[in-house]
Amino acid sequence: DAKTTQPPSMDCAEGRAANLPCNHSTISGNEYVYWYRQIHSQGPQYIIHGLKNNETNEMASLIITEDRKSSTLILPHATLRDTAVYYCIVRVPNQGGKLIFGQGTELSVKP
Amino acid sequence: EPEVTQTPSHQVTQMGQEVILRCVPISNHLYFYWYRQILGQKVEFLVSFYNNEISEKSEIFDDQFSVERPDGSNFTLKIRSTKLEDSAMYFCASSVLAGSYNEQFFGPGTRLTVL
Repeated sequence: DAKTTQPPSMDCAEGRAANLPCNHSTISGNEYVYWYRQIHSQGPQYIIHGLKNNETNEMASLIITEDRKSSTLILPHATLRDTAVYYCIVRVPNQGGKLIFGQGTELSVKP
Repeated sequence: EPEVTQTPSHQVTQMGQEVILRCVPISNHLYFYWYRQILGQKVEFLVSFYNNEISEKSEIFDDQFSVERPDGSNFTLKIRSTKLEDSAMYFCASSVLAGSYNEQFFGPGTRLTVL
């Protein structure tokens, strides 16, 4: 699985968009970008995934650059409950495959 | 909304004792996983399980660990002789065999404290 690089921490004002970057310059053609988050001491929670097109769901948007070497997770209107560690994971979505978590980005949403 | 459940939420045990951590995956899911997170560290993969056998395991998952699906609903992780360094949060996860996305759903975790 490709290695990812994320900033260790970020702050965001409540109600503003949170843009969380991830670099994955060694991504291969069949690897997807997944985002999970972990609210303090809880189990990780799936957010979104994508291959090359931008994706949006009820939680977030995922923007993947054309060369697929980086991506940005966007929380459009961050709330205090979005304070969490956000993990960018790049992998082939084979059935049953493990998730390899890095250190992630600790997002603090402040009032 | 269906969810993965885990019991107990907190387990305290003496070093050398056996512990069994229990999980109830989402009912139509077919792949099951255990991860652990030592305090302040990354979430680490332990083992994946499909069709009543281990699919993959990490170096952490040594002979002291075992997994079992004793019935149609439970998925258990057993640690035969606990060590101090086994103290961690243990997360169970499950995923459904659907397409190619392998979205994993995690339970709330069991905090294991080994004294």
